[in-house]
Amino acid sequence: NAGVTQTPKFQVLKTGQSMTLQCAQDMNHEYMSWYRQDPGMGLRLIHYSVGAGITDQGEVPNGYNVSRSTTEDFPLRLLSAAPSQTSVYFCASSYSTGVRGPGSYGYTFGSGTRLTVV
Amino acid sequence: TQLLEQSPQFLSIQEGENLTVYCNSSSVFSSLQWYRQEPGEGPVLLVTVVTGGEVKKLKRLTFQFGDARKDSSLHITAAQPGDTGLYLCAGEDDKLIFGTGTRLQVFP
Repeated sequence: NAGVTQTPKFQVLKTGQSMTLQCAQDMNHEYMSWYRQDPGMGLRLIHYSVGAGITDQGEVPNGYNVSRSTTEDFPLRLLSAAPSQTSVYFCASSYSTGVRGPGSYGYTFGSGTRLTVV
Repeated sequence: TQLLEQSPQFLSIQEGENLTVYCNSSSVFSSLQWYRQEPGEGPVLLVTVVTGGEVKKLKRLTFQFGDARKDSSLHITAAQPGDTGLYLCAGEDDKLIFGTGTRLQVFP
């Protein structure tokens, strides 16, 4: 039972380069989200998706794109990397129903991608 | 922007001591969760509380959701070195918002 799988675990980019952080879950969760974690700032929501074909912005969406073509996958694209995007990125997934939101069921997190932009 | 403030930010205690971590907001949440995170790993869910005034116990950990569903507390009894880690609260409205975390160090 893999849960939430993130790749790569580590990445170094030069300013201006683009890349895609991969996230896949095998729990048939409808809800998926991306967070970034910076020292002293906790986890901040970048983008989220309530199901295949549906995405929405979180607190800090600028500089990032997402798509959700399947239930299992939710990749995060950095369009033109900047040093301010140096961070640890976490993908999370959860159940969600029409009555109870994903928070009621708890989120399963991946082990993170540590990204450094130089 | 909703804010979840956790206190204290850092806590360093001896094995066997009790401690309480607080999570406060001016916003009402439909549910609140507590996570524990270890270095190099993602947060792991400890508990979810959904009803105002709800109290849940997980071995030596006691979680309480405030009556107004704006705040929560985590109490650890007789802390052990294995409790060391970053504790995060997270409140859900239409999105899940995280607090800034409490870093706990328990010394033998």
